[in-house]
Amino acid sequence: AQSVSQHNHHVILSEAASLELGCNYSYGGTVNLFWYVQYPGQHLQLLLKYFSGDPLVKGIKGFEAEFIKSKFSFNLRKPSVQWSDTAEYFCAVRGGYQKVTFGTGTKLQVIP
Amino acid sequence: KAGVTQTPRYLIKTRGQQVTLSCSPISGHRSVSWYQQTPGQGLQFLFEYFSETQRNKGNFPGRFSGRQFSNSRSEMNVSTLELGDSALYLCASSLPRTGGNTGELFFGEGSRLTVL
Repeated sequence: AQSVSQHNHHVILSEAASLELGCNYSYGGTVNLFWYVQYPGQHLQLLLKYFSGDPLVKGIKGFEAEFIKSKFSFNLRKPSVQWSDTAEYFCAVRGGYQKVTFGTGTKLQVIP
Repeated sequence: KAGVTQTPRYLIKTRGQQVTLSCSPISGHRSVSWYQQTPGQGLQFLFEYFSETQRNKGNFPGRFSGRQFSNSRSEMNVSTLELGDSALYLCASSLPRTGGNTGELFFGEGSRLTVL
C-alpha cells in the first residue's frame, strides 16, 4: 500500500523567507507525485506534478519541487514567500493505477 | 469549461439520518473520486469510480456507499449518520491515465456536512 508523510504540520514564516516543505512517500514502483494547495475558503488546486523526466518540476506562483527517488521524497520549495501564499499544502502520490493518497497537510502562515 | 460541481454545499443532519451528496465532473472526465477531509486528518480516500465501476475503495465502513451514472455524475450516500461523520466531503474528477495524462485530480468545492 502507498502512503505519504508530511513532516511539518504548521509552518510560520515572514515574507521573503525561503520555504521548504517535506514530503516522503512509500511505494515500490513508478509513481506520480503532486502538490496541491488550498487557499482559505477555496477549493483544492494543483500546484505542480511529477510524471516522468526531469525530477525538478516547476509549478505555479514560483513553486518548485524535486523528486529524489533514492530518498522517496518530493519536497516543495519557494525561494521567497509572500503573504498570499498563506494556505494549506498537501502532498499526494499515485502509484500505478491506485488511488491518489494524500498527506495530512501543512498549514503555512506567512506574516507580513 | 465548467469545473467540478458538488451539491449541496452545506447541510445539517442529525444522528441516525442518511445523506446523499452529488458530484458532476468536468465534461469529458470519466473518473470520479471521493474524499473526506477533516482537520488534522487530511484527505481520507472513500472511493473511485470509472465508467460506472468502482475501481478503488478506501477503509470506510459499509455505511458509506457510492455510485456513478452513465453520464459520469456520481453520488455518495452515508446512512445512519454518526457525529464523527461531520466533515467536508470532496469530489474530484480526472482523465484516465493514458496518452500522457497523469490522472491529476480536479476538485470541487466540497459538501460540508454537520451531524448534530
